[in-house]
Amino acid sequence: GAGVSQSPRYKVAKRGQDVALRCDPISGHVSLFWYQQALGQGPEFLTYFQNEAQLDKSGLPSDRFFAERPEGSVSTLKIQRTQQEDSAVYLCASTLGGLNTEAFFGQGTRLTVV
Amino acid sequence: RKEVEQDPGPFNVPEGATVAFNCTYSNSASQSFFWYRQDCRKEPKLLMSVYSSGNEDGRFTAQLNRASQYISLLIRDSKLSDSATYLCVVLGGSGTYKYIFGTGTRLKVLA
Repeated sequence: GAGVSQSPRYKVAKRGQDVALRCDPISGHVSLFWYQQALGQGPEFLTYFQNEAQLDKSGLPSDRFFAERPEGSVSTLKIQRTQQEDSAVYLCASTLGGLNTEAFFGQGTRLTVV
Repeated sequence: RKEVEQDPGPFNVPEGATVAFNCTYSNSASQSFFWYRQDCRKEPKLLMSVYSSGNEDGRFTAQLNRASQYISLLIRDSKLSDSATYLCVVLGGSGTYKYIFGTGTRLKVLA
């Protein structure tokens, strides 16, 4: 595809519900990142994959958050038992990998937990 | 202390003004530096990479000072269309390849 694609664009979940957010990176991009962005804040790192390997998950806020990229392409971020504090925009980015490479972002999924 | 710090602003400047933003980072092993631009309710997009020697792209100039661990962005002859949030981004250091973002600096250019 032409760019990073995320779905759904908007998600409203009832507190306690599980959600799954999908990211389709740019074809051939090795690295994939998930970020959480609260209103008025910069993107906060959640986790990072190189191909199918999850190399860093230090930013995941709790064990309710889980990410996978089983075939080294599409990635899913799953949030179990959603809480109101999980409401944010979840951004996915992909890169060719290495240093000095541009990170291309998807349009994000806006999650609202009610 | 956050790894990447920026003044959140907002900076309100008249059209044609010159405005400068600074950003500091805490990890001295960081290896790559960028400025991203984010419009309201849109995704961040790369504005420019920042090189040790400094670099310029039209009205935009970026500088890196490794000794003091800060990065700057200068915008000359501001346009209304420059109104956005400018995010300072640092990559790498200690074997990590994650992009660390600052909070962002809001710029509003006034007619």
